[in-house]
Amino acid sequence: DAGVIQSPRHEVTEMGQEVTLRCKPISGHDYLFWYRQTMMRGLELLIYFNNNVPIDDSGMPEDRFSAKMPNASFSTLKIQPSEPRDSAVYFCASSLVGGGNQPQHFGDGTRLSIL
Amino acid sequence: SQQGEEDPQALSIQEGENATMNCSYKTSINNLQWYRQNSGRGLVHLILIRSNEREKHSGRLRVTLDTSKKSSSLLITASRAADTASYFCATDESGYKLSFGAGTTVTVRA
Repeated sequence: DAGVIQSPRHEVTEMGQEVTLRCKPISGHDYLFWYRQTMMRGLELLIYFNNNVPIDDSGMPEDRFSAKMPNASFSTLKIQPSEPRDSAVYFCASSLVGGGNQPQHFGDGTRLSIL
Repeated sequence: SQQGEEDPQALSIQEGENATMNCSYKTSINNLQWYRQNSGRGLVHLILIRSNEREKHSGRLRVTLDTSKKSSSLLITASRAADTASYFCATDESGYKLSFGAGTTVTVRA
């Protein structure tokens, strides 16, 4: 079975540019999570969706960040305008149900560098 | 916010030795999970232990949970080079979210 698929794997862009990260969750999973991982702050939950509806976006750092899930098989995380401090690895994960009683399945991430 | 905190931050062992890492958390939980992350890859789920369980095994992995001390441990027995990775605990703090610790980096020397 295909796992969670993220694209691109690497993105290098200049400050001020718009960045769009993409995620395809595992088919049949009702929950989708976006995380950011840095050395300083570890793994942070940015936002999660249930059945394509954003449930909790309290982790989104600023209005420059937005996320959408137009259908069950696709989600995007957009940063506009991007800043050097946004440099991090961004992960998407999905799970059958929410809560801690089911594992989350992670993609291999997008390594984002903002110059 | 990070609910779980792993200890030690880093661990270096010889192939064949056991590796033990600990996770402490602050609030009541229903479940605790352990994940592994290889360099440049996403996190991979290893094992889930429920709050009413004290110990769980999966292959060479053994996880314990002590809810009275708000702590868990992960033991990897007979380590192999392929076990070189970072290991994270994750707890469910508010129902539908997981909070991850900072991780323990394990290096297995050949």
